[in-house]
Amino acid sequence: QQKVQQSPESLIVPEGGMASLNCTFSDRNSQYFWWYRQHSGEGPKALMSIFSNGDKKEGRFTAHLNKASLHVSLHIKDSQPSDSALYFCAGGGSALGRLHFGAGTQLIVIP
Amino acid sequence: EAAVTQSPRNKVAVTGGKVTLSCNQTNNHNNMYWYRQDTGHGLRLIHYSYGAGSTEKGDIPDGYKASRPSQENFSLILELATPSQTSVYFCASGGNSGNTLYFGEGSRLIVV
Repeated sequence: QQKVQQSPESLIVPEGGMASLNCTFSDRNSQYFWWYRQHSGEGPKALMSIFSNGDKKEGRFTAHLNKASLHVSLHIKDSQPSDSALYFCAGGGSALGRLHFGAGTQLIVIP
Repeated sequence: EAAVTQSPRNKVAVTGGKVTLSCNQTNNHNNMYWYRQDTGHGLRLIHYSYGAGSTEKGDIPDGYKASRPSQENFSLILELATPSQTSVYFCASGGNSGNTLYFGEGSRLIVV
């Protein structure tokens, strides 16, 4: 069974600062990696995906994937209070869309 | 945007009682999933389905059953609810590997 180690559990950054979140997966069959974001009282929503080694940038968000070490990270530049949320990494292989999620990182951005 | 609707949104059940959580999706996705969310555990997969009539066990299926009577609907059934099943339950729909999962707003269940 896939094990996902996500860190840190919680993170407090000042507005305008950089937030960095990390995950490591155990299943070598993992091919598809996602970051999901959940605001309080809502369901998780997909933030961005990364399927290839290297960096993927979308606005203030940059995801990084190292397939050799099964490590993914998310970096949020110029953090805003609206970025405050619970962030999950998720990964899956060929099993028809099944995703395994990390335990989550609670990000708090202080104005 | 893709829509996944869950009901009820909040439920209090008694120990030993039967609970049914319902999920409807209008995305025409083949795959549907039930997860539970608990602090420190993230989202854990209970049951999933590839299409109408199919159900598969996820990572934590004990104490739960699932039913997929149609493409649009997927239910999670707790035949004999226990306090350990107090949690927030999320339904999701999606395509095959590499496609986005779309989650509902969640169903908060308290078993007393």
